[in-house]
Amino acid sequence: GAGVSQSPSNKVTEKGKDVELRCDPISGHTALYWYRQSLGQGLEFLIYFQGNSAPDKSGLPSDRFSAERTGGSVSTLTIQRTQQEDSAVYLCASSLGAGAAWEQYFGPGTRLTVT
Amino acid sequence: KNEVEQSPQNLTAQEGEFITINCSYSVGISALHWLQQHPGGGIVSLFMLSSGKKKHGRLIATINIQEKHSSLHITASHPRDSAVYICAVDNLGGNQFYFGTGTSLTVIP
Repeated sequence: GAGVSQSPSNKVTEKGKDVELRCDPISGHTALYWYRQSLGQGLEFLIYFQGNSAPDKSGLPSDRFSAERTGGSVSTLTIQRTQQEDSAVYLCASSLGAGAAWEQYFGPGTRLTVT
Repeated sequence: KNEVEQSPQNLTAQEGEFITINCSYSVGISALHWLQQHPGGGIVSLFMLSSGKKKHGRLIATINIQEKHSSLHITASHPRDSAVYICAVDNLGGNQFYFGTGTSLTVIP
């Protein structure tokens, strides 16, 4: 079956613009995760969704970041008023459930460059 | 202080060697994950474990909950094992997910 897909694969934007990144999880996966991988800084957890429950947003790096998940499936990560430090690869993953028993499947990522 | 520490940062091995990558963590966890990232960026989950030991092919992962330590072993290493190996721990009940900085492995033919 299809894996996790993300779009766009690459995005170049000017500082101050808003961007939307999309993640399509594997069908039937109830948990969805967003991560960020900045150059030279490793992976960073942003937020996760479990089913239709409201997510805990405390992991988002600033209030310019928001995420939503419609119908328990597709998720959008929105960055408002982008800054150069937002440049990174944004990764999405999904799993059948959230927690210790479930393996995560990663998407290919969206490479965001803020100029 | 990082919640997850990996060692070594870089590792070069001859094909066929036995490889060990170590991970120590300082927080309470639900599970520990070992991830593999190849050049080009794709990430694959290798193991997720909360106790004991798991084996998949030539890869073995162990965890000692009391010592807050995990190891990833690769037996009979091969150049295709060359990748960055990342240790991560999650406590999703607390909305926490921490990553190590990764171990860059190069296996020379």
